[in-house]
Amino acid sequence: DGGITQSPKYLFRKEGQNVTLSCEQNLNHDAMYWYRQDPGQGLRLIYYSQIVNDFQKGDIAEGYSVSREKKESFPLTVTSAQKNPTAFYLCASSVNRDNQPQHFGDGTRLSIL
Amino acid sequence: KQEVTQIPAALSVPEGENLVLNCSFTDSAIYNLQWFRQDPGKGLTSLLLIQSSQREQTSGRLNASLDKSSGRSTLYIAASQPGDSATYLCAVRWLDSNYQLIWGAGTKLIIKP
Repeated sequence: DGGITQSPKYLFRKEGQNVTLSCEQNLNHDAMYWYRQDPGQGLRLIYYSQIVNDFQKGDIAEGYSVSREKKESFPLTVTSAQKNPTAFYLCASSVNRDNQPQHFGDGTRLSIL
Repeated sequence: KQEVTQIPAALSVPEGENLVLNCSFTDSAIYNLQWFRQDPGKGLTSLLLIQSSQREQTSGRLNASLDKSSGRSTLYIAASQPGDSATYLCAVRWLDSNYQLIWGAGTKLIIKP
């Protein structure tokens, strides 16, 4: 079955550490997205990529970085510059930039040790 | 500023009741509006997407309506079941939003057996 796989499901970060969240899709979608979800708030866009080797900052990109070297993969790195990283992170995809996110992974919950 | 609001944040109803979830948005110049379902600790599942030119969309026991002039959408769930328990999120894409979505914080629905 086609879909989006996020790993790990749970992740813990130590002070000063960078951590990377994995997102893989086998839907052959061009566009991929990273969202952050906090309690009581709507999803907020961190980064998005419309095509391989291209990505754009979303509303809350500070302290995060991404890469898009392959169509199937869009990893998110939470750097030590992100001072409040505790949240639920969701990866999504769409056929192309003209379509909005329709498919979501099951998320990664990141916590601070 | 373009915003999406969902009230109430939580709702509990007995099994079998019909119910309505609300989504309000500022600025009537929308491209479309989408309803999603999120189960605890999981990703999002798209339920219904209403284009700007449409008044409603139906899927099984779900019916979503759109009133752009009043800035409101409702999600009607008929004959509710315990399996409908989840958080329901509303997302709006505006005409000038560069394909991005603005999300409500969601309504957590509990259906009591």
